Amino acid sequence: KAGVTQTPRYLIKTRGQQVTLSCSPISGHRSVSWYQQTPGQGLQFLFEYFSETQRNKGNFPGRFSGRQFSNSRSEMNVSTLELGDSALYLCASSLQGQAYEQYFGPGTRLTVT
Amino acid sequence: GENVEQHPSTLSVQEGDSAVIKCTYSDSASNYFPWYKQELGKRPQLIIDIRSNVGEKKDQRIAVTLNKTAKHFSLHITETQPEDSAVYFCAASKANAGNMLTFGGGTRLMVKP
Repeated sequence: KAGVTQTPRYLIKTRGQQVTLSCSPISGHRSVSWYQQTPGQGLQFLFEYFSETQRNKGNFPGRFSGRQFSNSRSEMNVSTLELGDSALYLCASSLQGQAYEQYFGPGTRLTVT
Repeated sequence: GENVEQHPSTLSVQEGDSAVIKCTYSDSASNYFPWYKQELGKRPQLIIDIRSNVGEKKDQRIAVTLNKTAKHFSLHITETQPEDSAVYFCAASKANAGNMLTFGGGTRLMVKP
């Protein structure tokens, strides 16, 4: 099976702009989680979607949002970008919905200038 | 919420030696503990995991132990090889929290040939 894919891989945006990142899970996986990775804060949970429903949300401002489509593909959106949003955004997919193996995509490297 | 602490932050060993990375968690409801390996510029890769009903799990040169009473778990790598050099992350997930993972801060393992 193909692994988790994310597009785009690299992105440069300006402060104040908005951005949409996309994640395609492993075929058959219904759970998609998003994480932000930075050198200072490490890996932090953003949110999780399962069967098109957001089940959990991390401690991030409302500028961070997401959704999941009926084919389990997920998107996350960040509005009004700030310099501190520069990070590697990783998504992970899981076959089951509860404390199960998660497999990460390659990430989208977002740089905000 | 859950808090996961990981030690040491850096670890340097000679090829062939063993390496041990330790993590502690705060929420006694946590029941799933995966370990990820992240090589430079690559995605985190699931290398082993353990559930709260098991005390130890092995996979070739890698083993994980869990002490629920003390709320800590450890990764053991034997006969280390240069290709084991990477950043290792521990994580915890609890029941009724979907697939939300709380990560430790990471350990940079360097295996010197």
